[in-house]
Amino acid sequence: DAGVIQSPRHEVTEMGQEVTLRCKPISGHNSLFWYRQTMMRGLELLIYFNNNVPIDDSGMPEDRFSAKMPNASFSTLKIQPSEPRDSAVYFCASSLGRVVYGYTFGSGTRLTVV
Amino acid sequence: DQQVKQNSPSLSVQEGRISILNCDYTNSMFDYFLWYKKYPAEGPTFLISISSIKDKNEDGRFTVFLNKSAKHLSLHIVPSQPGDSAVYFCAASARVGGSNYKLTFGKGTLLTVNP
Repeated sequence: DAGVIQSPRHEVTEMGQEVTLRCKPISGHNSLFWYRQTMMRGLELLIYFNNNVPIDDSGMPEDRFSAKMPNASFSTLKIQPSEPRDSAVYFCASSLGRVVYGYTFGSGTRLTVV
Repeated sequence: DQQVKQNSPSLSVQEGRISILNCDYTNSMFDYFLWYKKYPAEGPTFLISISSIKDKNEDGRFTVFLNKSAKHLSLHIVPSQPGDSAVYFCAASARVGGSNYKLTFGKGTLLTVNP
C-alpha cells in the first residue's frame, strides 16, 4: 500500500494566484481530512469528508478556500486567490473510521505564497 | 480556544532515560486519545491510543496514562533512544454524528534524545 499520496510536495506561488493541492487517500478508507500546520496554530482541521460527502467544513478559514472529493480516490483543496498568510504545510489524511487507529497522514504539501 | 494543550514546546532527555510528554484537554466529551510522532518533512504517524474508559495502555517502550478527573494524559517512553527524537502530537477524538469522529490536535512537543 502506497499510503496517502499528496502532490505537489512543495509549491511556491505569487500572491493572488490560484493554488490547487491534491490528495489520493488509501484505497478502502472512507474518511478524508485536510489539515493545515502552522507554528502559531499547530495542526488545524480544515474539512472532513465521509464517503465523499463533506461532513464538517467549519475549519475552512474563509471563502477563498474550497475542497472537493469527486470520488473515493481523489480530493483537492483549492485556494483562490492565495495570500502570504496561507503559507503553511497542508496535510491530507484518511481513515477507515475506526478511531482506535487514528488517521493515516500524507507527507504534506509545503505552500509558500510570496 | 485550544481544547488540547501541550504546554511544553520542547523536551530534552538523555539516551536510556525516561521521556514524559504531557497533554491537557478541556472537553469532557472526548472519548479517545492518541499520540502521533512526526519527523521533519513527513506526515504525523500514529503511535498509540487509549480509550477514555481506561487509564493505561502499553505498547513496547511506549505507555500512555490517562487521568480523566484531571483531564490529563501523558506518554512515557522507556528507555528513550536517539531515533525517538521527533515532534509528538497529542490528539483527542470526538464524535461528529453517527460513526464519524474527528481529531483535535495539540501544538506538539519537540523531543530530543541525546546520545
